[in-house]
Amino acid sequence: DVKVTQSSRYLVKRTGEKVFLECVQDMDHENMFWYRQDPGLGLRLIYFSYDVKMKEKGDIPEGYSVSREKKERFSLILESASTNQTSMYLCASSPQGGVHTEAFFGQGTRLTVV
Amino acid sequence: GENVEQHPSTLSVQEGDSAVIKCTYSDSASNYFPWYKQELGKRPQLIIDIRSNVGEKKDQRIAVTLNKTAKHFSLHITETQPEDSAVYFCAAAGDSSYKLIFGSGTRLLVRP
Repeated sequence: DVKVTQSSRYLVKRTGEKVFLECVQDMDHENMFWYRQDPGLGLRLIYFSYDVKMKEKGDIPEGYSVSREKKERFSLILESASTNQTSMYLCASSPQGGVHTEAFFGQGTRLTVV
Repeated sequence: GENVEQHPSTLSVQEGDSAVIKCTYSDSASNYFPWYKQELGKRPQLIIDIRSNVGEKKDQRIAVTLNKTAKHFSLHITETQPEDSAVYFCAAAGDSSYKLIFGSGTRLLVRP
């Protein structure tokens, strides 16, 4: 069974704090993704990575950065948290293999910025 | 970039009826179209996917159709059951990018 694990289920942070969301997958997948989920807006892609140290911006990268130092770990960083970053954050991974296949999601991190 | 629009945002059906959710995509290079189901408090999980070389795919009560010319694809659920109640997301991706872009989701409620 593929397992994608996010480090926290719930987080409460203060405005201006630097926040780290961690994601680890155990299936040797090349692709990893960070999405945020907001009611009525679906899953919006923040950043993705197709290899170690490689990253590409998604549709809403402003205010976020990412780090992929090891294949199994993909970190999302909020440089200076703001209240409009209060959301559910979902990490996902998928194998590369030249064609798209199933993406497996973590359980999500509900972040509240106060 | 790719944009995926999904309708309706909410759908309520009687148990046993059919449900149809529709999505359109903007990038003609997209060739992979998965559907995910997210039950309350749980992570999204793949329920069915289709590639651009086929027009329809079925898996028991679930089917997906693809119209490449019109750039739209649909999820059909027949004989709906209360356990089908969830949020459903469509998505699209192409070989030119590793991006997987999702629609805004449809909340399906199956009334017993």
